[in-house]
Amino acid sequence: EAQVTQNPRYLITVTGKKLTVTCSQNMNHEYMSWYRQDPGLGLRQIYYSMNVEVTDKGDVPEGYKVSRKEKRNFPLILESPSPNQTSLYFCASSLGRVTGELFFGEGSRLTVL
Amino acid sequence: KQEVTQIPAALSVPEGENLVLNCSFTDSAIYNLQWFRQDPGKGLTSLLLIQSSQREQTSGRLNASLDKSSGRSTLYIAASQPGDSATYLCAVSSGAGDNDMRFGAGTRLTVKP
Repeated sequence: EAQVTQNPRYLITVTGKKLTVTCSQNMNHEYMSWYRQDPGLGLRQIYYSMNVEVTDKGDVPEGYKVSRKEKRNFPLILESPSPNQTSLYFCASSLGRVTGELFFGEGSRLTVL
Repeated sequence: KQEVTQIPAALSVPEGENLVLNCSFTDSAIYNLQWFRQDPGKGLTSLLLIQSSQREQTSGRLNASLDKSSGRSTLYIAASQPGDSATYLCAVSSGAGDNDMRFGAGTRLTVKP
């Protein structure tokens, strides 16, 4: 089954404790992206990747890192989480940014205390 | 900077009605526009993808149109059902010089039995 898998789905952590949210897709997609969704602010893009070893900042990249060492994986790293990073995070992928239908993961709800 | 607006923010209709959701964008230099459905606490599911060269796409009871020159798209839902209740988001993939993909805030649809 074609899917985008995120882990963990739910996480409560404390300020400053590094964490990684993993994202994996099984569709051989070139394009992958991370979003956060907050009430009243909608979906905002954090980082995206057009292919392996190619990443670019979205609208809200501060406090986040990403890497794309393999085509299927696009982890989101919070080196020193802060409470303002409490949010619902989504990973998505598509064949290509220009032509592709975007497939989303189920989301990861992160709470930073 | 591309801005995407969805009106109305919320809509409640009785079962069986046909309805139209609106999406507008400020920069007509787009690659594509997608409509998504999001159920509470869930990820986004792609409904329809319209390439910039297309005028409309249809899937079952759904029809999406695109008018790039006026910066508008509509999602038409025929014979609405309670199972259509969800939030509907549009997203625009823009050209070079802008940060990738932008989402509207969504229209929360309630279909009453």
